[in-house]
Amino acid sequence: EPEVTQTPSHQVTQMGQEVILRCVPISNHLYFYWYRQILGQKVEFLVSFYNNEISEKSEIFDDQFSVERPDGSNFTLKIRSTKLEDSAMYFCASRAGSPEAFFGQGTRLTVV
Amino acid sequence: GENVEQHPSTLSVQEGDSAVIKCTYSDSASNYFPWYKQELGKRPQLIIDIRSNVGEKKDQRIAVTLNKTAKHFSLHITETQPEDSAVYFCAASIPHKAAGNKLTFGGGTRVLVKP
Repeated sequence: EPEVTQTPSHQVTQMGQEVILRCVPISNHLYFYWYRQILGQKVEFLVSFYNNEISEKSEIFDDQFSVERPDGSNFTLKIRSTKLEDSAMYFCASRAGSPEAFFGQGTRLTVV
Repeated sequence: GENVEQHPSTLSVQEGDSAVIKCTYSDSASNYFPWYKQELGKRPQLIIDIRSNVGEKKDQRIAVTLNKTAKHFSLHITETQPEDSAVYFCAASIPHKAAGNKLTFGGGTRVLVKP
């Protein structure tokens, strides 16, 4: 069964450093998402991406964040200058035309 | 924007008993309501969903009900088994909004099934 895959599973970074989280969505899917979950809190929407552009973003998704689909298979989330409060589990998700979204296993980002 | 509240936050049941998790949503435009199960260290997995044109949907031991008037929906697990132990998330989605269809999640319910 096709799955969304994310790498790395765990990333530790120094405050102020740039990180890139990678996702390979399911191959025939058209819509791509990033969500995050700070420990003990709700899963929060960050951004959706469709037709090679951002279709919606949350207030969390400020200028420090960017997304890219560089090669037709990968979908990346970049955080330019990480802060301690960016520490969270980051989930990528994708869907085809129907609303059912499939999630990756997540990347745990720890900013120290 | 949409807000989803989920109760209870933890639920302990004896094996074989039923478990019920309830969610409320705020935006009447929401019309898609999935439920995800997340086992420790694993990805959230879609276990069942319901759209606003139906009031109930069942898949073996799990069922979901939707009350659009009251803006709440519930997950029912019957004959619980230890492998049902996990965190369950409800979510709501407003369709066709800037092609986003983002999910707004509830806070999760940690279900423990005691053998």
